[in-house]
Amino acid sequence: GQQLNQSPQSMFIQEGEDVSMNCTSSSIFNTWLWYKQDPGEGPVLLIALYKAGELTSNGRLTAQFGITRKDSFLNISASIPSDVGIYFCAGQRLANAGGTSYGKLTFGQGTILTVHP
Amino acid sequence: EAQVTQNPRYLITVTGKKLTVTCSQNMNHEYMSWYRQDPGLGLRQIYYSMNVEVTDKGDVPEGYKVSRKEKRNFPLILESPSPNQTSLYFCASSFRLYNSPLHFGNGTRLTVT
Repeated sequence: GQQLNQSPQSMFIQEGEDVSMNCTSSSIFNTWLWYKQDPGEGPVLLIALYKAGELTSNGRLTAQFGITRKDSFLNISASIPSDVGIYFCAGQRLANAGGTSYGKLTFGQGTILTVHP
Repeated sequence: EAQVTQNPRYLITVTGKKLTVTCSQNMNHEYMSWYRQDPGLGLRQIYYSMNVEVTDKGDVPEGYKVSRKEKRNFPLILESPSPNQTSLYFCASSFRLYNSPLHFGNGTRLTVT
């Protein structure tokens, strides 16, 4: 199946530092999504990207959909302790069958972020 | 409150003893899916359902069954659990499969001894 390579696997940073993580794929995706998982909870959507080259911000978070449609990055500026968690990228390829649009999500392996106060 | 509810949150069982993990959503979502999360492997899809009575295999369906008799419920069934099914399981739903954010439950941590 489609593979997503997410890096880094883990990050240990000081509060106030900026963070950058990315996902790459050998396949083209129509949509890139970034999720965050807090300890003991399910993932929550942070940012959705639908067009190649798109740059979208959500507060201190910024994500971009790569021009080649095979990669995406997520930046977090001025990190705070509550940024701790696991960040997942996910790619989706659009397909059509019987007049219905669908596309299975493929998730990256996750980036574990630890922020020291 | 709009949510996806999984039960139980924690389950310890023995090899071969059939179990069911329930999932229910109150958002009238058409699409529902089950994932397992293992260290270093991210989230892998087990089964998904596009609508009532429509289910299909994901990437790792072996050893699992699902059913979608009602729109709101999507139970995950392990007929004969084995230790390699020890994992953290998430149910998720969305209004439709494309351009519609996935809402996740809080997870079920399963241990099979």
